[in-house]
Amino acid sequence: EPEVTQTPSHQVTQMGQEVILRCVPISNHLYFYWYRQILGQKVEFLVSFYNNEISEKSEIFDDQFSVERPDGSNFTLKIRSTKLEDSAMYFCASRITSYNEQFFGPGTRLTVL
Amino acid sequence: QKEVEQNSGPLSVPEGAIASLNCTYSDRGSQSFFWYRQYSGKSPELIMFIYSNGDKEDGRFTAQLNKASQYVSLLIRDSQPSDSATYLCAIKTSYDKVIFGPGTSLSVIP
Repeated sequence: EPEVTQTPSHQVTQMGQEVILRCVPISNHLYFYWYRQILGQKVEFLVSFYNNEISEKSEIFDDQFSVERPDGSNFTLKIRSTKLEDSAMYFCASRITSYNEQFFGPGTRLTVL
Repeated sequence: QKEVEQNSGPLSVPEGAIASLNCTYSDRGSQSFFWYRQYSGKSPELIMFIYSNGDKEDGRFTAQLNKASQYVSLLIRDSQPSDSATYLCAIKTSYDKVIFGPGTSLSVIP
């Protein structure tokens, strides 16, 4: 069964460093998303992406964040200058249309020291 | 006003009983409603989605939606210990944005 994959599973970085989290959505899906979940807290929407542009973003998704679909398979989230409070699990998700259910990847645990 | 609210729990039910999970939302323009299950340290796993008022059944799970009351629920029949997890209610708003509730922790006691 097709699934969303994410790499790496765990990323440790120093505060102020740039990180890129990678996702490979399900191949025929057209809508892509990033969420984050701080330990013990709820899943928070970051951004949605369709047709090579951002369709919606949350207040969390400020200028430090960017997304890109550099080729036909990868979908990346970049954090330019990480802060301690960026430590969280980051989930990528994808769906076929905007009305179908979305499927989540296993997540990348980001630890900022 | 919080966008999606759930009872945080923990909700404890004996094995074989019905577990009832509730969720309310604030955006009347919300179009799609999802229930996810999340085990500790894992990603959310879709259980059910519902778009129309009424009930939708899938195996042991029944989702109920009442848009007038801005209320969605999930019933789990014949609860099993493997159902012990956090259940997340998620709402797709009028834009392409999915808002999650804080989750309800369910514990099924053998």
